[in-house]
Amino acid sequence: DTGVSQNPRHKITKRGQNVTFRCDPISEHNRLYWYRQTLGQGPEFLTYFQNEAQLEKSRLLSDRFSAERPKGSFSTLEIQRTEQGDSAMYLCASSLFRDTKETQYFGPGTRLLVL
Amino acid sequence: DAKTTQPPSMDCAEGRAANLPCNHSTISGNEYVYWYRQIHSQGPQYIIHGLKNNETNEMASLIITEDRKSSTLILPHATLRDTAVYYCIVRLPTGTASKLTFGTGTRLQVTL
Repeated sequence: DTGVSQNPRHKITKRGQNVTFRCDPISEHNRLYWYRQTLGQGPEFLTYFQNEAQLEKSRLLSDRFSAERPKGSFSTLEIQRTEQGDSAMYLCASSLFRDTKETQYFGPGTRLLVL
Repeated sequence: DAKTTQPPSMDCAEGRAANLPCNHSTISGNEYVYWYRQIHSQGPQYIIHGLKNNETNEMASLIITEDRKSSTLILPHATLRDTAVYYCIVRLPTGTASKLTFGTGTRLQVTL
């Protein structure tokens, strides 16, 4: 399978715990995006990387959230001291940005439930 | 990015064409129209995009009006597997404004 993959697919945690999600983009895609989706809403942008550089962060990304893409390949999203309001689907997308054109392709998401 | 307006839900009989409308009256000259869909509990799936000309691929056709203030996504022969939420998104080609801004989309229900 050459699509975007995300792990784990489901995560249940207790409030106050830290969680980390992983995203593996499509090979050779230089951009990687994180979105969050709550029930009944469309996905909301959190942050994105071009290669290793984190180029934009949404104000939704509080200081409890951190994302990395250390070698410009896979990325991790960590949430510290989880709160019940963090319960959502976390989506990763990747794209090949070239000559002002790009199309984002999404992974299956990681569904987080904070108890 | 320009805002879009879509009906919250639509029904379509299997085998018939599904025509999903989208209004984007404030679209600017260099903004593209993108369509994604999201089947229950899955990530969004890219369908098609266009600037001003009509576009067709193996999944769908995109018809953009001449003034570019609205568009229609056409699924020519809808199947039950096309039941999903369809999102119409308008965005600049790229640069710093690379994120996709999703609305609440249209929930398409394909029935027997």
